[in-house]
Parts: sequence; structure tokens; C-alpha cells
Amino acid sequence: QQQVKQSPQSLIVQKGGISIINCAYENTAFDYFPWYQQFPGKGPALLIAIRPDVSEKKEGRFTISFNKSAKQFSLHIMDSQPGDSATYFCAASVNSGGSNYKLTFGKGTLLTVNP
Amino acid sequence: DGGITQSPKYLFRKEGQNVTLSCEQNLNHDAMYWYRQDPGQGLRLIYYSQIVNDFQKGDIAEGYSVSREKKESFPLTVTSAQKNPTAFYLCASSNFGQETQYFGPGTRLLVL
Repeated sequence: QQQVKQSPQSLIVQKGGISIINCAYENTAFDYFPWYQQFPGKGPALLIAIRPDVSEKKEGRFTISFNKSAKQFSLHIMDSQPGDSATYFCAASVNSGGSNYKLTFGKGTLLTVNP
Repeated sequence: DGGITQSPKYLFRKEGQNVTLSCEQNLNHDAMYWYRQDPGQGLRLIYYSQIVNDFQKGDIAEGYSVSREKKESFPLTVTSAQKNPTAFYLCASSNFGQETQYFGPGTRLLVL
């Protein structure tokens, strides 16, 4: 049972274009939605995150759009660059007891930005 | 230089052998996690620990064991009971009451 569904599985974009990756979740108890960026052979790094009381968050060229009623959120990369080529994971977090938060990850999107 | 270190970067296991993956953090984080990453499968939680001497099973704990004797260390043992151990293993940590997890560089385990 996959609680966070991510699409597309892979994406090819031209330099300067907009990359859009979508995620949908089922558990309405999720209250924190991060995006991670992973380069080959490296660990994921936090890119940007949002909480459900905000519909949009922007950091530089990266924007998260959040639709609570549809239980969907997406990552937009403006002016995509070849250096953005990586695998992107969406995730959702819920308090699993005490001070512990459990992350559930989507399956990832391999982004390739052509020069 | 603060962060999470994992060693070794590559590890080879023979059939029927137990192997231990190291994870150390100097971020003074309370919680630590182990994930397994397979191509096209995202990250799946193996075990996590909120405090020293305490840990809980994640979604795919069978064939794995952990210990948390020190705050900064959370080693993962892949036992011979894990029939398909070839994967990329990631360790992460987070601060008390914080959702954000920080990841180490990973260990790739291969079966000979």
C-alpha cells in the first residue's frame, strides 16, 4: 500500500524550461511535506518543504504548490539547468508517537535537463 | 565538520554471511534511521531509534538488526536471513521533535 504516489517516473526537460513533479497522498494525518534531491551515489538532501496551512512556498527557482483538498502537492523547478539533473523524492511526515516523525517517500522522479 | 558518515562506501557479502554497516553522526541528533533504496522503489524504512538503547522496526525490518548503545552511533547488521540484501543503504538522523531528516552518503551492499 503506497501512501505517497509520485509521477512521472522520469522527466526530460530542456535547459531553461520548467520541470514539474507531482505527488498525491492518502493519509490526511500527514502534516509536513518535504522534497529531497539525490545525485547518483549520494544521499538525499532536503531541497524544500511545506506544511498544509500554506498553499505555496518558493525558494529561489524551486516552488512547492500544495492543494490540501485534493491531497496533492507538486515541485516546480523554474529555469531548469543541467546541474538540476538528479532524482527527486517527495515525502510526507506524520507524528508516529512522542517526538518521532516518520517519513513516507514517493518512488522518485529521475530528472534529466538537456543543455 | 558536522554531518553523518557511513562506512564503508561499498560492501560485499558472501552467501550466509552477516555484515554490519556503520553510521555515525556528530550533529547531536536524538533520532536515527536506516533506509533501504532499490531502483524505482524510493526509500523504505528498516529501523529507527529515538533514544539510546531503544529502537523500533520500520516497514521492512525482517533480516536486519540494529543497536543503539551510543547517541552518535546506529549500526545496521544485515543478517543471512535477508535473502535479497543487494541495495543502497542510507542512514539518517533528526533532532528532537523535528521532522527534517538529514542523510548520510550511503553504503552500497553487493552479494557475491
